[in-house]
Amino acid sequence: ETGVTQTPRHLVMGMTNKKSLKCEQHLGHNAMYWYKQSAKKPLELMFVYSLEERVENNSVPSRFSPECPNSSHLFLHLHTLQPEDSALYLCASSQNPGLAGVAQFFGPGTRLTVL
Amino acid sequence: ELKVEQNPLFLSMQEGKNYTIYCNYSTTSDRLYWYRQDPGKSLESLFVLLSNGAVKQEGRLMASLDTKARLSTLHITAAVHDLSATYFCAVVLKNYGGSQGNLIFGKGTKLSVKP
Repeated sequence: ETGVTQTPRHLVMGMTNKKSLKCEQHLGHNAMYWYKQSAKKPLELMFVYSLEERVENNSVPSRFSPECPNSSHLFLHLHTLQPEDSALYLCASSQNPGLAGVAQFFGPGTRLTVL
Repeated sequence: ELKVEQNPLFLSMQEGKNYTIYCNYSTTSDRLYWYRQDPGKSLESLFVLLSNGAVKQEGRLMASLDTKARLSTLHITAAVHDLSATYFCAVVLKNYGGSQGNLIFGKGTKLSVKP
């Protein structure tokens, strides 16, 4: 498998459930990202991991908990979500994000619906 | 706070016609990206623009950057149906440390090319 993969592709969960989103990159990159794409808002950066260390947390509620066990895998743990958290969650990876000209490669996303 | 505005947000055009999508941003930045997203698919990197006056072309798409005006354009020449997609521009927001390049996205321009 190549590129950036995400599982599951679709997820429906109740507000009291706990679930996890998984992202895997096969590009040899050392930075990974979580984004939220809502219907009427621009793509929002949630978390950045560089060399497995979290370097950015954009004021994301604590009901979203990221985990990066190694440079190829990124998880987003979800608990007690709200209906407004329903969105497309995109994972991306890149080489050193501080370098000029570095593009982020995106996964296909997980479509999350919170009931 | 860095804001990125695209216009138009929706664009319906006929095959064979030319058109330009605009991306304005509110503070200085040293990198601008254009991405394409097909319905139900992930984001695909199109261009990375790094300096004032940068121009890049790929097929029927040409992107340019004017850092003084804080403006990037994506010009479409002789549109074809396959170009129908949503196009996003994204600008790097440097953390105060300058070591991270977080992307701030515009809302996207949904392009529909009709025969």
